[in-house]
Amino acid sequence: GESVGLHLPTLSVQEGDNSIINCAYSNSASDYFIWYKQESGKGPQFIIDIRSNMDKRQGQRVTVLLNKTVKHLSLQIAATQPGDSAVYFCAENGGSNYKLTFGKGTLLTVNP
Amino acid sequence: GAGVSQSPSNKVTEKGKDVELRCDPISGHTALYWYRQSLGQGLEFLIYFQGNSAPDKSGLPSDRFSAERTGGSVSTLTIQRTQQEDSAVYLCASSPEKEDGYTFGSGTRLTVV
Repeated sequence: GESVGLHLPTLSVQEGDNSIINCAYSNSASDYFIWYKQESGKGPQFIIDIRSNMDKRQGQRVTVLLNKTVKHLSLQIAATQPGDSAVYFCAENGGSNYKLTFGKGTLLTVNP
Repeated sequence: GAGVSQSPSNKVTEKGKDVELRCDPISGHTALYWYRQSLGQGLEFLIYFQGNSAPDKSGLPSDRFSAERTGGSVSTLTIQRTQQEDSAVYLCASSPEKEDGYTFGSGTRLTVV
């Protein structure tokens, strides 16, 4: 899994499988978390966010889980598709209302 | 505009030259941010604008880096006397007011040779 500050991990899955990307955060003041997807040559694209008053939030094919006790965030992608191949970043706000701190990302590769 | 626009998309410059990177945020977004992304790394915060003022410029790596924003819209990031370690992708993002969710541009890839 990923931790804000560690080297870039990779995850390789088969098309159609579910993917889980993990992120550990360290700032207990963080109350807002976001997952971004970055494809090669593009800027990060917002996927889903969650506030600290929630444990789970679902979007289209994606679910974010937040465990504040152990400071852990995960992104679940259902029925992973080749178009999901990208680097995924988690970000936390550290209690700020403007600045985000990003992890170094997880490279997801989807094999057809 | 429809999204955050950055120019140029790629810039190759010689060491010691000055460069200017431009960001056009989404129309109406009052908050604007610059981040830097080095190869295989996460995003490093550089500076935050609210309107034309920069209440947080704590991420600028040295006094060779400066940024301004005019008319509450376009922002320019200037790097003077570029060094090889300045090579990176410079990303701009904007958001309405102080909302946490950003919209990023595609970035400017700067290569200092």
